[in-house]
Amino acid sequence: DGGITQSPKYLFRKEGQNVTLSCEQNLNHDAMYWYRQDPGQGLRLIYYSQIVNDFQKGDIAEGYSVSREKKESFPLTVTSAQKNPTAFYLCASTIGETQYFGPGTRLLVL
Amino acid sequence: GQQVMQIPQYQHVQEGEDFTTYCNSSTTLSNIQWYKQRPGGHPVFLIQLVKSGEVKKQKRLTFQFGEAKKNSSLHITATQTTDVGTYFCAAGGSNYKLTFGKGTLLTVNP
Repeated sequence: DGGITQSPKYLFRKEGQNVTLSCEQNLNHDAMYWYRQDPGQGLRLIYYSQIVNDFQKGDIAEGYSVSREKKESFPLTVTSAQKNPTAFYLCASTIGETQYFGPGTRLLVL
Repeated sequence: GQQVMQIPQYQHVQEGEDFTTYCNSSTTLSNIQWYKQRPGGHPVFLIQLVKSGEVKKQKRLTFQFGEAKKNSSLHITATQTTDVGTYFCAAGGSNYKLTFGKGTLLTVNP
């Protein structure tokens, strides 16, 4: 069953804590993306990667970090430097220019 | 950077009424895509428009790309409760990056 999986579905972060959101795809797509969605703000690009071991900052990269050690995986770390992390985080991968999204992770701050 | 403006932000209709959302850019777009996000869900690709003046239909949905490739619209004829959700336009750019509009939230009163 092909697709994009994200885990966990809900994640709680304490003040000063780093948390990592998982994104895995078995679609054999080269490019992967992380977006943040806030109510009324649409989707804003955090980081993207077009190939293994390479990634670029998006429009709102501050306070986030990523790695791309495997084609299938593109984890996102929300660091303690991100002062307003509460949001819905969406991972996507691309064939051509069409993006396929995972189910998302909702991050909440305790 | 590239920006796309989407209007209206919200639209409430009675079931059976028509609905239109508009997407505008100050720059010429190479292509434009439309996505639908159901409440609590993730964006799902609907269609891509590439050619100037292009019109595509999917059942009750009609998508248009302006002659100058700076605007696009999505029109739904005779809305149904299953049409509820947020509709996003997304402008294609370099490196397969997409710039998303803020979306139009459609609610349908049965």
